[in-house]
Amino acid sequence: GENVEQHPSTLSVQEGDSAVIKCTYSDSASNYFPWYKQELGKRPQLIIDIRSNVGEKKDQRIAVTLNKTAKHFSLHITETQPEDSAVYFCAAANDYKLSFGAGTTVTVRA
Amino acid sequence: NAGVMQNPRHLVRRRGQEARLRCSPMKGHSHVYWYRQLPEEGLKFMVYLQKENIIDESGMPKERFSAEFPKEGPSILRIQQVVRGDSAAYFCASSPRTDRGDSPLHFGNGTRLTVT
Repeated sequence: GENVEQHPSTLSVQEGDSAVIKCTYSDSASNYFPWYKQELGKRPQLIIDIRSNVGEKKDQRIAVTLNKTAKHFSLHITETQPEDSAVYFCAAANDYKLSFGAGTTVTVRA
Repeated sequence: NAGVMQNPRHLVRRRGQEARLRCSPMKGHSHVYWYRQLPEEGLKFMVYLQKENIIDESGMPKERFSAEFPKEGPSILRIQQVVRGDSAAYFCASSPRTDRGDSPLHFGNGTRLTVT
C-alpha cells in the first residue's frame, strides 16, 4: 500500500515568514495529492490539491509543488498569519484510497 | 448543502458496550470513507463504501468492527464490545462518484469516542 511520510512534525515560524512542509510517497501510481488543514477539535479541511499532470499550483498565499520523479511534494505558505496555526496533513491517492502523512503542527508566532 | 453530517459529536461508552457512529454524506455523494484519528496522530483509513457495498475494509480490525451504507439512511460504523484502545476521533468523509480516484474528500466534524 501507499506510505506517506511528512516532515517536519512541528514547525514554528515568525508571523510574516514562510512555512514549508515536505512529503514523500511510495506508490508511483499515486496521482492525486491534497493538503488538509485541521484546527484543534475540528474536521480536516481541504486547502489545496494537485494532480499528477501538474508540477505546481498556487492559491493566494498557498502553493504546492510536485516532483513525480522523486515522489515528493511540498506545501508552501507565504506571509504567515496567526490564523495559519493548525495541523497540516499531506495525502496521496491511487484510485480511491487516500493515505495521509502524520501531520505537521504549525505555530505562527506573533 | 449541509456538508457531511456525523452524529453524535461525542460518545462515551463503558468497556464492553457497543458504539454506533452515523454519517450522512454530502448531497449527491455516493462514496463514503471512515477514518480513525488517535490523539496527535494522522488519519488512518478504515473502510470505503458505496451504497449497499463495502469496497475496501482493509483498514478495519477484523473483529468487533463493522460498517454499512444502506440504500436508505446514513452510513453506520459499529464497534462492538469496546475497549479503551478504541478511544479516538472517527471521521467520515464523502466524495462524488468518480472512476479516477482524484476527487477531494469532504470530512464531517467527527465523532469523539471515549471508552471508560
